[in-house]
Amino acid sequence: QQKVQQSPESLIVPEGGMASLNCTSSDRNVDYFWWYRQHSGKSPKMLMSIFSNGEKEEGRFTVHLNKASLHTSLHIRDSQPSDSALYLCAARASSGSWQLIFGSGTQLTVMP
Amino acid sequence: GPKVLQIPSHQIIDMGQMVTLNCDPVSNHLYFYWYKQILGQQMEFLVNFYNGKVMEKSKLFKDQFSVERPDGSYFTLKIQPTALEDSAVYFCASSRGANTEVFFGKGTRLTVV
Repeated sequence: QQKVQQSPESLIVPEGGMASLNCTSSDRNVDYFWWYRQHSGKSPKMLMSIFSNGEKEEGRFTVHLNKASLHTSLHIRDSQPSDSALYLCAARASSGSWQLIFGSGTQLTVMP
Repeated sequence: GPKVLQIPSHQIIDMGQMVTLNCDPVSNHLYFYWYKQILGQQMEFLVNFYNGKVMEKSKLFKDQFSVERPDGSYFTLKIQPTALEDSAVYFCASSRGANTEVFFGKGTRLTVV
């Protein structure tokens, strides 16, 4: 079963600061990455997906993907207290298994 | 946006009893999933389901677990018998395709006492 590693486990940034979260898959068959955000006691909600090498930006959120290293990162600029949540990276292989496997998450706290 | 509904939101059950968790997936979705999450920790894959069949299951999907979706009704996760370590939040999810966005329900918090 593929493993998805996220770092750091927890991150504290000041309001207005930049938060950078990392995720790597150990399964060479992985082709698709998603980033989910889960507020405490709530269900995960998809933030962004990335399937191709490079960068994708949506508002304050930017994701990068390096398929050679199977590494993706999520960057949140101008962080807000409402961004405080558990950020989950999920990965799926392009063929064979279509399990969506999650990492253990990064707990982000944005301090006012 | 599309919503996955889970019923009930909380369930307390005596160890050894049977429990059925119900999920109403997004209406045009074809792929269904169950995940287990303990105390806001890692979201752990249990099983995925397509075309009336279990496609993949993890080691967490013990023999006591079963899933089904009779035509036009809920996608269910049944645990029989329950054990103390089954206490967790169980999330149901669905997607239109195998590689499209997966939408999650709000979860059912199961407490086995």
